[in-house]
Amino acid sequence: GDSVTQMEGPVTLSEEAFLTINCTYTATGYPSLFWYVQYPGEGLQLLLKATKADDKGSNKGFEATYRKETTSFHLEKGSVQVSDSAVYFCALSDRNEKLTFGTGTRLTIIP
Amino acid sequence: GAVVSQHPSWVICKSGTSVKIECRSLDFQATTMFWYRQFPKQSLMLMATSNEGSKATYEQGVEKDKFLINHASLTLSTLTVTSAHPEDSSFYICSARGVADTQYFGPGTRLTVL
Repeated sequence: GDSVTQMEGPVTLSEEAFLTINCTYTATGYPSLFWYVQYPGEGLQLLLKATKADDKGSNKGFEATYRKETTSFHLEKGSVQVSDSAVYFCALSDRNEKLTFGTGTRLTIIP
Repeated sequence: GAVVSQHPSWVICKSGTSVKIECRSLDFQATTMFWYRQFPKQSLMLMATSNEGSKATYEQGVEKDKFLINHASLTLSTLTVTSAHPEDSSFYICSARGVADTQYFGPGTRLTVL
């Protein structure tokens, strides 16, 4: 079946550091790929998505590129802020739009 | 933006009792809602897909008689954990499908069964 593997946390970075959270997937067919973010006390929110190979999703300074050849969708941000502290989930959806999630990566940014 | 609420946010119950969790889409209508379960340090696992006015579709391995789902209106779906046992303790999260088929998630309900 489909699966998503993402970098285990927690990840702690200083403000303005470069962020990469790795995500790879296994799926039949051509899934859509997502990054969700969960801020403390809130529900998961869609951060960005990509629906086909070589697409780049971007939002709030975060980017991720759908790499079919490496089955990856790594999340990057050039300069993180304290407000980016949250749990980040990589996910894919199949044709039936069912989401399969990674385990989540807790990110803490220190001033 | 689209907001989904869950109630209660946490609940503690005795073994053998039943617990109902509500999921509401506050500012949009959702014909489809999803229920997930999350164990510590693990992924969200889809339990079932709930469609308004029809029976829920359960994922393989999920006991439909234990996890009763009702989606009686376009803004409310409920999950009832019947005869709860300690192994049912978990974090339950719902989502509602909104515009452009985006799923909007609730904040989750932590269930502890003693």
